[in-house]
Amino acid sequence: NAGVMQNPRHLVRRRGQEARLRCSPMKGHSHVYWYRQLPEEGLKFMVYLQKENIIDESGMPKERFSAEFPKEGPSILRIQQVVRGDSAAYFCASSPRTSGRVNEQFFGPGTRLTVL
Amino acid sequence: AQTVTQSQPEMSVQEAETVTLSCTYDTSENNYYLFWYKQPPSRQMILVIRQEAYKQQNATENRFSVNFQKAAKSFSLKISDSQLGDTAMYFCGSEKLVFGKGTKLTVNP
Repeated sequence: NAGVMQNPRHLVRRRGQEARLRCSPMKGHSHVYWYRQLPEEGLKFMVYLQKENIIDESGMPKERFSAEFPKEGPSILRIQQVVRGDSAAYFCASSPRTSGRVNEQFFGPGTRLTVL
Repeated sequence: AQTVTQSQPEMSVQEAETVTLSCTYDTSENNYYLFWYKQPPSRQMILVIRQEAYKQQNATENRFSVNFQKAAKSFSLKISDSQLGDTAMYFCGSEKLVFGKGTKLTVNP
């Protein structure tokens, strides 16, 4: 059973470009979470999705950021018109939610975004 | 809202010794999960141990154990017989998707 997969592992963008980060959850997992980790800081929750549904986006910046988890294919975190402050490691995690409670999350290796 | 606090930004320990990482949290829930994750230099996040709040017994995974004090809302991680491979960032987290800022642990030879 392959773990959570994220690609690309490293992404370089110039200011104003778009960044698309992909996450394939573990087999059988229907819940995906995105986190951002700024240099020297901890994880900050961004968004929690179920297939075709955003459950909690309270950690997402109001502008330029969006996320989706379609019925088929990976979850996508999209950042439009990137700025230098978007440079960070973006982690995706998945879980098999059971009994209405959040179970432990299995993390992907992360995508390191660098904005020039 | 839940909050998780790790008050030790950095710690170091000699190989084979024991170290304890602190974590406190705040929640209005009565039943919940708490986790410790390890992030080595590879940046991968790895689950170390999980504690269910309704269980009085402290969770243990090999050299890793927790001291869960529900009344005090404390959830410390004890690493026994520290190994060089334990060098990593350690994050305490709650099921409400809240993590502490992490403790950088260095195990010295």
